[in-house]
Amino acid sequence: GAGVSQSPRYKVAKRGQDVALRCDPISGHVSLFWYQQALGQGPEFLTYFQNEAQLDKSGLPSDRFFAERPEGSVSTLKIQRTQQEDSAVYLCASSFVGLGFEETQYFGPGTRLLVL
Amino acid sequence: RKEVEQDPGPFNVPEGATVAFNCTYSNSASQSFFWYRQDCRKEPKLLMSVYSSGNEDGRFTAQLNRASQYISLLIRDSKLSDSATYLCVVTPHGGGGADGLTFGKGTHLIIQP
Repeated sequence: GAGVSQSPRYKVAKRGQDVALRCDPISGHVSLFWYQQALGQGPEFLTYFQNEAQLDKSGLPSDRFFAERPEGSVSTLKIQRTQQEDSAVYLCASSFVGLGFEETQYFGPGTRLLVL
Repeated sequence: RKEVEQDPGPFNVPEGATVAFNCTYSNSASQSFFWYRQDCRKEPKLLMSVYSSGNEDGRFTAQLNRASQYISLLIRDSKLSDSATYLCVVTPHGGGGADGLTFGKGTHLIIQP
């Protein structure tokens, strides 16, 4: 079946431009996560949704970052007034249930953002 | 101090050899532990979960030492296809499905023919 998909796969933005990154989770997956992975680093948690509810946004680096999942399926990560330090791969992951049981997170291919 | 620390390597290992890496974590309340594998320019994929009793999956063995707060991964009879970055992952609570994962920087493994 289809896995997690993300679009665009690559995005080049000029500093100060707003960008929107899309994630389509696996159908039926309740939990959705966004991570940021800088070059040479491991992914870092940004935010978490359970259905349409954003339950944790503690990892968002600044108020320029905003995420939504209005219908509990597709999610969008928006970055306003992009800065060079925002250049990274943005990974989306989904999992079936969010009941605190061990549950595999399946990652999408990521969006590679380069801010010039 | 980073929550999850790994030796970044690279580990250059001849094909067929056994290789092991460790990872330490700082949060003693961490409940779940995993090894993920990430190929160059690809997304991370779950390799295996790590249980207190240790677990084995083919050539791969994972161990958890709660007292010393480290986990390990052992790869036997290494293959060229094992070349990748291995990410140590912990979660603060019961599972990865409801918690953001905390990743180490990864250990880069290169298997040489």
